[in-house]
Amino acid sequence: GAGVSQSPSNKVTEKGKDVELRCDPISGHTALYWYRQRLGQGLEFLIYFQGNSAPDKSGLPSDRFSAERTGESVSTLTIQRTQQEDSAVYLCASSLEGYSNQPQHFGDGTRLSIL
Amino acid sequence: AQSVTQLDSQVPVFEEAPVELRCNYSSSVSVYLFWYVQYPNQGLQLLLKYLSGSTLVKGINGFEAEFNKSQTSFHLRKPSVHISDTAEYFCAVSEAAGNKLTFGGGTRVLVKP
Repeated sequence: GAGVSQSPSNKVTEKGKDVELRCDPISGHTALYWYRQRLGQGLEFLIYFQGNSAPDKSGLPSDRFSAERTGESVSTLTIQRTQQEDSAVYLCASSLEGYSNQPQHFGDGTRLSIL
Repeated sequence: AQSVTQLDSQVPVFEEAPVELRCNYSSSVSVYLFWYVQYPNQGLQLLLKYLSGSTLVKGINGFEAEFNKSQTSFHLRKPSVHISDTAEYFCAVSEAAGNKLTFGGGTRVLVKP
């Protein structure tokens, strides 16, 4: 079946511009996660959606970052007024119900480069 | 708060040799443990997980890991590596009552012919 799909796969933009990244989770997965992976580093948690509950935004690094999810489907991560330190790979993952013993399934990521 | 330490950032290894990737975690509560693999320009793929029961868990591609509660470790092993095992490997932990994964910094494995 289809896995987690992310678009675009690559994005190059100028400093100060806004960017929007998209994630399509696996159908039927109620939990969705966004992570940031800086070059040569591990993954940093950004935000978590579970069904219709309020999202856990505790990992968002600044108020320039925001994310939305429509029901249990598509999510968009928006970065406003991008800075060079925002350059990273942004990974999306989904899991069946969001329980911690359920594995997360990852997309291939969006590689964001800020000039 | 939980944390994960992968002691080796890079591990070069010859083809058909064994490899061990070390992972230590800290947490004050019960945890679940995972190993993921990331091939170049791809997302992460689950290798194996420890939830409960036997401390030795087997995963895909011939990998296995052993949970050691007293040493708070979850080291990953493979008895004989292939060129195709060249990738980055991430150890991750989640609290049993939580919903987030905390990742280690990753170990890059380079298999040489």
